[in-house]
Amino acid sequence: AQTIHQWPVAEIKAVGSPLSLGCTIKGKSSPNLYWYWQATGGTLQQLFYSITVGQVESVVQLNLSASRPKDDQFILSTEKLLLSHSGFYLCAWRDWGVSQNTLYFGAGTRLSVL
Amino acid sequence: GQQVKQSSPSLTVQEGGISILNCDYENDMFDYFAWYKKYPDNSPTLLISVRSNVDKREDGRLTVFLNKSGKHFSLHITASQPEDTAVYLCAAHDSGYNKLTFGKGTVLLVSP
Repeated sequence: AQTIHQWPVAEIKAVGSPLSLGCTIKGKSSPNLYWYWQATGGTLQQLFYSITVGQVESVVQLNLSASRPKDDQFILSTEKLLLSHSGFYLCAWRDWGVSQNTLYFGAGTRLSVL
Repeated sequence: GQQVKQSSPSLTVQEGGISILNCDYENDMFDYFAWYKKYPDNSPTLLISVRSNVDKREDGRLTVFLNKSGKHFSLHITASQPEDTAVYLCAAHDSGYNKLTFGKGTVLLVSP
């Protein structure tokens, strides 16, 4: 069975400080991976996706970057946090084929930027 | 602008009734439509989805209706139960598959 793990569970960071959020998928080879973000009261927005190691596509520009250093790992980061980065970050992998097309989300990281 | 819109932020239904959740979209290229369910402080999970070549899909108490000409799809939940109380997110993507766009969500409250 596939499992998806996100870390940390929650972060409180200062404006201007760096950030690194991680996501690991186990039990799935070469997954399509995604980062989503939801501001409080906002819409769940896709930030990045990656279909293979070393390749990341940006969907929304939020002064964030993402990397895929390993097949099972997806990292979201920035060197300088903004207040507007606060919210809920979700990593997901997609299971798709002839009969299904499902996004499976991790438990998420809640980020508060002060 | 919002490509996927849920115009009702909330809906209250009595237990046993039919819950109808609606979603409108703008992109003619969307060909996959889904409903996700989210409890507070939890991640969304897929409930049901359809491809654009299908007008309707049923799964137990859930039915998705797709109206492509009207750029609208809906989720009907029959025999609504208190445990159906949650946030329901509609979502859609085009044939590129790698960008799933979500609506803002509708809070469904099923009252006993």
